[in-house]
Amino acid sequence: QQQVKQSPQSLIVQKGGISIINCAYENTAFDYFPWYQQFPGKGPALLIAIRPDVSEKKEGRFTISFNKSAKQFSLHIMDSQPGDSATYFCAASPSNTGNQFYFGTGTSLTVIP
Amino acid sequence: EAQVTQNPRYLITVTGKKLTVTCSQNMNHEYMSWYRQDPGLGLRQIYYSMNVEATDKGDVPEGYKVSRKEKRNFPLILESPSPNQTSLYFCASSSQQGYTQYFGPGTRLTVL
Repeated sequence: QQQVKQSPQSLIVQKGGISIINCAYENTAFDYFPWYQQFPGKGPALLIAIRPDVSEKKEGRFTISFNKSAKQFSLHIMDSQPGDSATYFCAASPSNTGNQFYFGTGTSLTVIP
Repeated sequence: EAQVTQNPRYLITVTGKKLTVTCSQNMNHEYMSWYRQDPGLGLRQIYYSMNVEATDKGDVPEGYKVSRKEKRNFPLILESPSPNQTSLYFCASSSQQGYTQYFGPGTRLTVL
């Protein structure tokens, strides 16, 4: 049973466009929601993260939108660039269990020049 | 340089031959984890540790063992590997729960 559901599986966006990746969860104990970026042959790297006390967090061209009542969160990449082409994973973690993490299945983003 | 290292990076072995994948971090982090990454399944947590001698099962612990005798090291042990453990494995560490996890470069394991 997938604890964090991620969509779409793949995404193709034109350079300068907006990329949007969505995630949904059921476990209300989750209180930390990071997004990771992974390039081929590399380990995932933290991109941006949010906690449920805020509805939005922005870092440069990357924004997380968080809807606590709907149990959904999404990553928006503004002005998408070819260098953003990578696989993106959302994740969720509950603070009451130490160090458990549940990841989405990943979204392969391709930004066309 | 702050980093998580894993060895070996690539390993081909046969069913039933015990193996260990090492993981080491130089950031004095309390928390460490092992994940496996499979196409279409994302990353799944195998085991995690909150400190020395404190480990717990993640989502897919069957067929794996871990130990945390030193803060910097967190080896993953496959006592009797099977072909369904063919995967890409990542070790990660963080200073606290809810803080940035730093991932290693990955170990690609093939079990024949």
